[in-house]
Amino acid sequence: GESVGLHLPTLSVQEGDNSIINCAYSNSASDYFIWYKQESGKGPQFIIDIRSNMDKRQGQRVTVLLNKTVKHLSLQIAATQPGDSAVYFCAENLSGRRALTFGSGTRLQVQP
Amino acid sequence: DTAVSQTPKYLVTQMGNDKSIKCEQNLGHDTMYWYKQDSKKFLKIMFSYNNKELIINETVPNRFSPKSPDKAHLNLHINSLELGDSAVYFCASTQGRSEQYFGPGTRLTVT
Repeated sequence: GESVGLHLPTLSVQEGDNSIINCAYSNSASDYFIWYKQESGKGPQFIIDIRSNMDKRQGQRVTVLLNKTVKHLSLQIAATQPGDSAVYFCAENLSGRRALTFGSGTRLQVQP
Repeated sequence: DTAVSQTPKYLVTQMGNDKSIKCEQNLGHDTMYWYKQDSKKFLKIMFSYNNKELIINETVPNRFSPKSPDKAHLNLHINSLELGDSAVYFCASTQGRSEQYFGPGTRLTVT
């Protein structure tokens, strides 16, 4: 089975609200995590990453939280905009391995 | 100044045919990948090359053969195409252990 778990749910939010997308991973040997955004007809686009020696990292309007105790990753988007509508994937990288294991994605729908 | 480019963007072909997809990156990265995304949006690694050397080969039928003529190019040749090969194929590249940059994808439809 896959070690990063999401079963493509849909999160619907109002424009201007904050969004939280969650991800569970099962491999404790993973030490690098990335969030990607994929718009329709396009390739995944890097949003933010975090290494296992951190538990929080902030970008522009986005924050990633890592809880290694419960193997949980979340992406918070502040003041969600219609342009944030997309499928969001978390991905993990096992230490020493140059490949990402992707979760199955969450579709974010922003209502104007 | 596209970072990771793929050709073609769309490919429609019949079962049994042989086809190739090409990928080029101008980022100077040392590692390139092929991923397959199925109809449920699930992304799975297929192959990875580091400095023209194959380093990852997941459980992929040997009808799929990647080739890396140089560090900036990674092509994917598929023999005897099957209906189940229909998917979107993404090329990606990275330098070291950092974020991977993805191409726009090639939508392959096998009829």
